[in-house]
Amino acid sequence: QQPVQSPQAVILREGEDAVINCSSSKALYSVHWYRQKHGEAPVFLMILLKGGEQKGHEKISASFNEKKQQSSLYLTASQLSYSGTYFCGTVLSGGSYIPTFGRGTSLIVHP
Amino acid sequence: DSGVTQTPKHLITATGQRVTLRCSPRSGDLSVYWYQQSLDQGLQFLIQYYNGEERAKGNILERFSAQQFPDLHSELNLSSLELGDSALYFCASSIRDSAATDTQYFGPGTRLTVL
Repeated sequence: QQPVQSPQAVILREGEDAVINCSSSKALYSVHWYRQKHGEAPVFLMILLKGGEQKGHEKISASFNEKKQQSSLYLTASQLSYSGTYFCGTVLSGGSYIPTFGRGTSLIVHP
Repeated sequence: DSGVTQTPKHLITATGQRVTLRCSPRSGDLSVYWYQQSLDQGLQFLIQYYNGEERAKGNILERFSAQQFPDLHSELNLSSLELGDSALYFCASSIRDSAATDTQYFGPGTRLTVL
């Protein structure tokens, strides 16, 4: 069950904020966020667990709404280095423990 | 640098051929995961090994196989290659056998081009 990410793409100027959403049609156990720059490996940003636990970088914030089966990644005061494709990976409650990744959201930050 | 290494970085081959991709996990990690990423797709999970044993299978074709050796490095074998197999192949590693709550560290990837 591949999660749905929105929007597909975001274009910002430095200093602006963005929100990337990840939705599932089934109950979630955890949500994983990664950023990938073109031609490079995905880099871990954050894991959000059912029950409210979070593991990740201090400068990244995200939310996990268990009732709505959604997660949102908040990018505030964006920098040029934030550019890349953001993937969410979802682990379903009672399902496989391997994250299923969405198609990604492309973020471009201009000077 | 995630600590995960993959070789080769690029591979160009012809249809019908067989190739082997290699991955060394981070020191201390026991799980290795293989993913395929093509232009119009996200990361597609192929297979996971934990401490030498197969633990989970995803959308892996029968033409593809993998193994994890006693020193924990892993190899992904792709045979009877088709044009559609052209993609970036990533391996990732983690400490435990469950990725539900574990961070996966991705290697730099192998770009496979099938001509």
